[in-house]
Amino acid sequence: NAGVTQTPKFRVLKTGQSMTLLCAQDMNHEYMYWYRQDPGMGLRLIHYSVGEGTTAKGEVPDGYNVSRLKKQNFLLGLESAAPSQTSVYFCASSYEGAVQPQHFGDGTRLSIL
Amino acid sequence: GQNIDQPTEMTATEGAIVQINCTYQTSGFNGLFWYQQHAGEAPTFLSYNVLDGLEEKGRFSSFLSRSKGYSYLLLKELQMKDSASYLCAVRDSNYQLIWGAGTKLIIKP
Repeated sequence: NAGVTQTPKFRVLKTGQSMTLLCAQDMNHEYMYWYRQDPGMGLRLIHYSVGEGTTAKGEVPDGYNVSRLKKQNFLLGLESAAPSQTSVYFCASSYEGAVQPQHFGDGTRLSIL
Repeated sequence: GQNIDQPTEMTATEGAIVQINCTYQTSGFNGLFWYQQHAGEAPTFLSYNVLDGLEEKGRFSSFLSRSKGYSYLLLKELQMKDSASYLCAVRDSNYQLIWGAGTKLIIKP
């Protein structure tokens, strides 16, 4: 059972570089989310999607873009990386419905120098 | 603003009981979740409360009081593998999850 798979697991970038983080889920979940987790802070929602072809902004969307071309995949892009984007990024997915828990990937540890 | 408060760190002894508190102030309430996160790993779902009262799941129980904006996670018969961070999250009126910073639980033998 793969669940939610994130690629890559680690990455170091230089300021100004771009990259894409990939999230794939095999649970046929409608909803997908991208969070960042920083020391001493709760998970913060960057962007989310309620279905294929849809995306919406979360709490901290600036500097990031997303796409959901296929139901199972949710991509997070950094167009011009900044040191403030150094963080651990988690992707999550869930079924539709308020009671449904979110299932998380193992995270991507991203450092921007 | 929206706010979730949890203690930063707690220490307990193997075999004992520990209660981790969570207080919240959010725009609306559509349920409260508890997650466990081991260091360097993904958060995993533990429990969900939407009505007042206690939900029991084996060694773990979660309590909710909506009128007080308060929840706690109770862990019994503590084991070393319970050493982890415990995250409280509230679903607000927009059905978004607002997360606390987590409580790091240290279990000593």
